[in-house]
Amino acid sequence: GEEVAQTPKHLVRGEGQKAKLYCAPIKGHSYVFWYQQVLKNEFKFLISFQNENVFDETGMPKERFSAKCLPNSPCSLEIQATKLEDSAVYFCASSQWQGRWATFGSGTRLTVV
Amino acid sequence: GESVGLHLPTLSVQEGDNSIINCAYSNSASDYFIWYKQESGKGPQFIIDIRSNMDKRQGQRVTVLLNKTVKHLSLQIAATQPGDSAVYFCAENGRGDMRFGAGTRLTVKP
Repeated sequence: GEEVAQTPKHLVRGEGQKAKLYCAPIKGHSYVFWYQQVLKNEFKFLISFQNENVFDETGMPKERFSAKCLPNSPCSLEIQATKLEDSAVYFCASSQWQGRWATFGSGTRLTVV
Repeated sequence: GESVGLHLPTLSVQEGDNSIINCAYSNSASDYFIWYKQESGKGPQFIIDIRSNMDKRQGQRVTVLLNKTVKHLSLQIAATQPGDSAVYFCAENGRGDMRFGAGTRLTVKP
């Protein structure tokens, strides 16, 4: 399809629990990006993939965050042992090639209580 | 560190006026820039892009200007409409990370 599909739309986790978010990029797009938006005015880059390979992971808090993009499966972002400060909207985006604008999904709102 | 950012967090204009939203970047090696619009509860939506070999690009009611000398990018919206109310972000893409600056919230007054 021509949209980036993110699931679930909302996710509530108790502090210390695991959270897993999914993203189906647009078919044919080689690059996938994950962002965290805590305040409505700021996006924090987390990680990008070129197909199933990590392209840039400089934004990932490595201790608790991990991500995968496996063939024939939605991409995933997993947070182990969630903390209150992980509460945010997580956006996934995909693009056809490096150096081209990306299409964003509508996000997953994670609330850690 | 290197960053992409916007000058003003908020901008309020009258319906029908032109809007100008600014962005300054610090990485002189940047060669591709994008403007996104984010409406409440939605993901960013592509508006227009520009490569560093250009200094101006026009779309429908929108124009992006790039001044590489002072590392400045602007988005001009002609005849601003209530539907243009949103948060606008500039982003730099080209190295696989697509970094965003803080956004500018545009409010259109009827």
